[in-house]
Amino acid sequence: GAGVSQSPSNKVTEKGKDVELRCDPISGHTALYWYRQRLGQGLEFLIYFQGNSAPDKSGLPSDRFSAERTGESVSTLTIQRTQQEDSAVYLCASSFGPGFTDTQYFGPGTRLTVL
Amino acid sequence: GENVEQHPSTLSVQEGDSAVIKCTYSDSASNYFPWYKQELGKRPQLIIDIRSNVGEKKDQRIAVTLNKTAKHFSLHITETQPEDSAVYFCAASIHYKLSFGAGTTVTVRA
Repeated sequence: GAGVSQSPSNKVTEKGKDVELRCDPISGHTALYWYRQRLGQGLEFLIYFQGNSAPDKSGLPSDRFSAERTGESVSTLTIQRTQQEDSAVYLCASSFGPGFTDTQYFGPGTRLTVL
Repeated sequence: GENVEQHPSTLSVQEGDSAVIKCTYSDSASNYFPWYKQELGKRPQLIIDIRSNVGEKKDQRIAVTLNKTAKHFSLHITETQPEDSAVYFCAASIHYKLSFGAGTTVTVRA
């Protein structure tokens, strides 16, 4: 079946502009995660959605970052007033959620470059 | 929060030899330990995982061991092949939140 998809695959923006990144999870997966991966580094947890519960936003680095998810479908990650340090690959993952295996399946990522 | 350390950061092995990557974690409540392989420009792919009620798990040339007392776990790749060249990440999870190590770049020399 279809895996996690993300769009756009690449985004180049100017400092100070807002960007919106999209994630389509695997159908039937109730849990959705966003991670940031800076060049040559590991993955940093940003935010977690589970069904209609309040999201865990504990990993968001600043109030310029926000994310939304409607039900158990698409999620968008928004970065306002982008800064050069926001340049990274933003990865989305999904899983079946509580009561099932914890296995997270990743999307291909969006490479964000802030000039 | 959970802190995961991974060693070594780079590893070069001769084709056919074994590769071992080690990780330690800080929170004894962590109960799920996946390993991901990431090829250049590609998404992380789960290659093996282990839960805290198991000490060892093997899948063909890949094995993972877990020592809960010492809070460390290791990935073992035997009979390495060129296609094993990639960055490998360990992670530890409490409930849903994965904390990742910094990654190990494995290069298999032909």
